Amino acid sequence: AQSVSQHNHHVILSEAASLELGCNYSYGGTVNLFWYVQYPGQHLQLLLKYFSGDPLVKGIKGFEAEFIKSKFSFNLRKPSVQWSDTAEYFCAVNALIKAAGNKLTFGGGTRVLVKP
Amino acid sequence: DVKVTQSSRYLVKRTGEKVFLECVQDMDHENMFWYRQDPGLGLRLIYFSYDVKMKEKGDIPEGYSVSREKKERFSLILESASTNQTSMYLCASYQGRGYEQYFGPGTRLTVT
Repeated sequence: AQSVSQHNHHVILSEAASLELGCNYSYGGTVNLFWYVQYPGQHLQLLLKYFSGDPLVKGIKGFEAEFIKSKFSFNLRKPSVQWSDTAEYFCAVNALIKAAGNKLTFGGGTRVLVKP
Repeated sequence: DVKVTQSSRYLVKRTGEKVFLECVQDMDHENMFWYRQDPGLGLRLIYFSYDVKMKEKGDIPEGYSVSREKKERFSLILESASTNQTSMYLCASYQGRGYEQYFGPGTRLTVT
């Protein structure tokens, strides 16, 4: 079965600092990869996704993620965070095998607090 | 604009009560999902449905059932609520592989 690990449960940093959130998954075959964000009191929304092609994916609000197949990783980055980036971030994987169906497997989430 | 709605934002129920959580999507998606979200555990899949009247167990189906009588509506049922089912419940819908899931605002259920 596929699993997703996010390395940090909580991250606290100051505005303008750089952010990197780790995500590793367990499935060895072809995958679709996602980062979702949940701002306080709001819906989960898609930040970016990787299906194929360029392993460096750019998303909304200045975020990017790099898919490294050999490391089974899909780390999220932002070079300079803002107070408004305070949120919980979830990595998710959809393994492209019949048994996985259409379901996404989510990581445990990382709560990011950006101090003004 | 894509929309997934859930019947309640907050719900308080007593142990042993039967609880219904409703989810409606207006995107004509075939696939719908129920997750629960708990701190440190992320989103865990309870059940999903890939067509009307079709359902599949997710990772934590125990204590839950679902109903999908119409394409746009997917209901989660707690047959006999227990305190360990206190959680945030999220509904999502999804067109299929290659597309993103869209989430509802969530229902925060407290079972006392």
